[in-house]
Amino acid sequence: AQSVTQLDSQVPVFEEAPVELRCNYSSSVSVYLFWYVQYPNQGLQLLLKYLSGSTLVESINGFEAEFNKSQTSFHLRKPSVHISDTAEYFCAVSVPLFKLSFGAGTTVTVRA
Amino acid sequence: DAGITQSPRHKVTETGTPVTLRCHQTENHRYMYWYRQDPGHGLRLIHYSYGVKDTDKGEVSDGYSVSRSKTEDFLLTLESATSSQTSVYFCAIGDRFFQETQYFGPGTRLLVL
Repeated sequence: AQSVTQLDSQVPVFEEAPVELRCNYSSSVSVYLFWYVQYPNQGLQLLLKYLSGSTLVESINGFEAEFNKSQTSFHLRKPSVHISDTAEYFCAVSVPLFKLSFGAGTTVTVRA
Repeated sequence: DAGITQSPRHKVTETGTPVTLRCHQTENHRYMYWYRQDPGHGLRLIHYSYGVKDTDKGEVSDGYSVSRSKTEDFLLTLESATSSQTSVYFCAIGDRFFQETQYFGPGTRLLVL
């Protein structure tokens, strides 16, 4: 079975600074990878996903993640964060035709 | 936003009482899922459905049952609520089995006293 580890539970960051959220997974077969974001008191929203093709995927609001098969990682980055990026971020992995497994989440707090 | 609603949004109940949470979608997606969210655990799958009257267990299904009599509705029942079931419950929908994006509802906060 696959599993997901998010290496940081809390990441405080100043506005306009870069941020990286680390995600490692384990699986013996090919996987699909996702990052979801949860704003306070809301449900989860898909931020970006990797299914196949280019290992670098981008979201419309400036986040990017790179699939690294040799490192079994899918780290999320943003070069310059805004106050509105304060949220909890979840990495998730899916084996095709099998369930989606979520990491424990990383809380990002952006300070002015 | 995908059309998913959950009801109730907040509920307080007592240990031993049955509780039913409702998920309603207007997207006609085939697949529906119930998750619970707890600090330090992320989201864990309780049950899922792959069609009307077709359901299966997830990783934390003990103490929970589900029903899906219509495409648009997926009910989660706590047969006899316990304090360990205090959590935030999310419903999700998708049009491909676990492969593509899942769309999440706003959640139900349940407190079992």
